[in-house]
Amino acid sequence: SQELEQSPQSLIVQEGKNLTINCTSSKTLYGLYWYKQKYGEGLIFLMMLQKGGEEKSHEKITAKLDEKKQQSSLHITASQPSHAGIYLCGADRSGGSNYKLTFGKGTLLTVNP
Amino acid sequence: GAVVSQHPSWVICKSGTSVKIECRSLDFQATTMFWYRQFPKQSLMLMATSNEGSKATYEQGVEKDKFLINHASLTLSTLTVTSAHPEDSSFYICSARGGFSSPLHFGNGTRLTVT
Repeated sequence: SQELEQSPQSLIVQEGKNLTINCTSSKTLYGLYWYKQKYGEGLIFLMMLQKGGEEKSHEKITAKLDEKKQQSSLHITASQPSHAGIYLCGADRSGGSNYKLTFGKGTLLTVNP
Repeated sequence: GAVVSQHPSWVICKSGTSVKIECRSLDFQATTMFWYRQFPKQSLMLMATSNEGSKATYEQGVEKDKFLINHASLTLSTLTVTSAHPEDSSFYICSARGGFSSPLHFGNGTRLTVT
């Protein structure tokens, strides 16, 4: 199975600081998805990356997929308490045919005001 | 955007009883839905793929007779936990895709507690 390693496992930052979360795959990714989860709630879609070298931004969050399509990073600029939560990366391990996603274990982000 | 509704959000049941969880796509049709399970402080584990009009496809190690999946329409999939035991207590989340190039959208999850 395609394993996804996320780092760090947890992160505590002061409000206003920048931070980066990484997601590494042992195999080439057909698609890489970033989600945010509040404890005990569903997942909120953040970003979808499918092409090597692709970079997408939404508000203060930027996600990149490397050229080899085995590593992705999620960068938050000027973090706010509203950014706190669990960030999960998910990989399409079906080659796009049936859209199964395998997830990393998540990164717990705490933003202190 | 695509909305997936899951019901109930939490349920408490006695050991030996069955519990049904519903997953609905509210503003799109979903021929395929996915059921995940999440243990505390762990990632999501894919349980099964729910296919409209046909049998669900279960992941290795998931008991299909225990976790019954029915996908009777293009907007509704149900997961029934049969003869529930305390070890079935978990957070169950469903997801569906709004279109070919769209990402998976998730329901808000169901917290199941079996006493």
